[in-house]
Amino acid sequence: GQQLNQSPQSMFIQEGEDVSMNCTSSSIFNTWLWYKQDPGEGPVLLIALYKAGELTSNGRLTAQFGITRKDSFLNISASIPSDVGIYFCAGRHNTDKLIFGTGTRLQVFP
Amino acid sequence: DADVTQTPRNRITKTGKRIMLECSQTKGHDRMYWYRQDPGLGLRLIYYSFDVKDINKGEISDGYSVSRQAQAKFSLSLESAIPNQTALYFCATSDPTRNTGELFFGEGSRLTVL
Repeated sequence: GQQLNQSPQSMFIQEGEDVSMNCTSSSIFNTWLWYKQDPGEGPVLLIALYKAGELTSNGRLTAQFGITRKDSFLNISASIPSDVGIYFCAGRHNTDKLIFGTGTRLQVFP
Repeated sequence: DADVTQTPRNRITKTGKRIMLECSQTKGHDRMYWYRQDPGLGLRLIYYSFDVKDINKGEISDGYSVSRQAQAKFSLSLESAIPNQTALYFCATSDPTRNTGELFFGEGSRLTVL
């Protein structure tokens, strides 16, 4: 089946640092979404992007819908300990079926 | 209370046993999904249902079956569990009228097959 390549697989950073992660696909999507999974919980939506080139922010998080429609990026500025978790990208064609990335595990040290 | 509730949260079973994971939701959404999460592989779609009479296979449906008993309930069955079905399973819902693509996930059911 189709897969989204998400990188990096894991990150170990110090509190206050900025974080960047990205997701690439072999096919075009109409929607890109970024989810965060806290330990022991289900994923929760952070940001949704609906248009190529779109740049959207949610607090310290900023995500971009790549101009080719085959990639997306998520940046977290000034990381804090509660940013710890697994971040997933997801792409959507025309239905509610999402294809998820492999996840980026983020650890933040004080 | 959680809007999407999964039971059991944890289950250990033996190879060959039949297992059912249940999901109920109070969000009033028509669409429900079962995903499987494995380390390094992300979330993969097992089955999905767009309404009570609709069942569709996802990318990894072999070895699984589902039942949509009502709008609010969607259960996943493993007829004869095998060790490589050890994983974290998530139920999710979506609201097609909003057309945002957002899924609402339960808290997960961790299954271990010995």
